[in-house]
Amino acid sequence: KAGVTQTPRYLIKTRGQQVTLSCSPISGHRSVSWYQQTPGQGLQFLFEYFSETQRNKGNFPGRFSGRQFSNSRSEMNVSTLELGDSALYLCASSASNEQFFGPGTRLTVL
Amino acid sequence: GENVEQHPSTLSVQEGDSAVIKCTYSDSASNYFPWYKQELGKGPQLIIDIRSNVGEKKDQRIAVTLNKTAKHFSLHITETQPEDSAVYFCAASIGSSNTDKLIFGTGTRLQVFP
Repeated sequence: KAGVTQTPRYLIKTRGQQVTLSCSPISGHRSVSWYQQTPGQGLQFLFEYFSETQRNKGNFPGRFSGRQFSNSRSEMNVSTLELGDSALYLCASSASNEQFFGPGTRLTVL
Repeated sequence: GENVEQHPSTLSVQEGDSAVIKCTYSDSASNYFPWYKQELGKGPQLIIDIRSNVGEKKDQRIAVTLNKTAKHFSLHITETQPEDSAVYFCAASIGSSNTDKLIFGTGTRLQVFP
């Protein structure tokens, strides 16, 4: 069974731009969660989607948004990028609470 | 909200020795406790997990113990090998059917010296 895939793996943007990251979950998994990982703040929960509905949200500003499609693939969007948004963005898919992570998208904001 | 503390932040051991990483959590409703290993350039990999109806779980050289009364859980790695070197994260979750949200500890960098 293929694991969680994320695209792109690396991204460089400038302040003020927006970015869209994509995540394809493990086949059969309906829940997708997103996390931000930085050296200073560690792994922080962004939001969680299940059957195309956001069912949980972390403490991030409204510039961070996401969605899930009928095939369970998910995207997250960050608008008006700030330098502090530079991070590794991780997607995890789950079934029965066990979460399996993708390799992440490394976003650098210049 | 839930808070997870993890100690130590770094741990160096000789190959063949044991390593222990400890975590405490604040929300008594938490009932699912996974451990992840993250190698450089990769996403976290689930290595073992435990649910609150179990006190201990073992998988080869890795074991996890849970003390629900004291709200702490620990990862034990025996007979460490250089390939065990990585950053380890504990996490806690309510583990219900309504959410899979994980709250992570701050990580432990484990170095195993040959």
